[in-house]
Amino acid sequence: NAGVTQTPKFQVLKTGQSMTLQCAQDMNHNSMYWYRQDPGMGLRLIYYSASEGTTDKGEVPNGYNVSRLNKREFSLRLESAAPSQTSVYFCASSGTLTGELFFGEGSRLTVL
Amino acid sequence: RKEVEQDPGPFNVPEGATVAFNCTYSNSASQSFFWYRQDCRKEPKLLMSVYSSGNEDGRFTAQLNRASQYISLLIRDSKLSDSATYLCVVSTGGFKTIFGAGTRLFVKA
Repeated sequence: NAGVTQTPKFQVLKTGQSMTLQCAQDMNHNSMYWYRQDPGMGLRLIYYSASEGTTDKGEVPNGYNVSRLNKREFSLRLESAAPSQTSVYFCASSGTLTGELFFGEGSRLTVL
Repeated sequence: RKEVEQDPGPFNVPEGATVAFNCTYSNSASQSFFWYRQDCRKEPKLLMSVYSSGNEDGRFTAQLNRASQYISLLIRDSKLSDSATYLCVVSTGGFKTIFGAGTRLFVKA
């Protein structure tokens, strides 16, 4: 029962470096999401994918790009990391538009 | 004003106590409401959906007041294992789901 799997779990980057966070779900969900969580703030949506082949911006998309590789996989890329992108990133999936979100364990990213 | 507001706490209660969390939301077009639980350094997990008529799941009771744009979560007979952060979540439909910042609960022996 893997559910939603994200890698890596921890990463330290220097300002200007790039990296990709990987996410895969095995629940046959159509919708996938990337959120970031910062202290004192709720989870904020970065990008989402309603279905395979589509992606859309969420609340805080600047500095990020995404790829919905297939139904299972949804990756998040930081092209040029900045200290403001230090955060915990969560990938999630859902089977319906307003249904339960299933989250991965999170990826803790520090940008120095 | 935040779209979903919660008292950040922390709430410190003894085992067996009853504790209530409140949440207000600003968008009157909101359609779906949830409480999620997040343990320290873990991912959020759905605790329960909130229905207009109110709903109960064991020791947990959720209420929705659409007129006042207010959601509540009541935990009865608190257990040590209830210690966590409780997230109020509101959806206006489509993919617009807003998370509150969460209320921290510590249950002490």
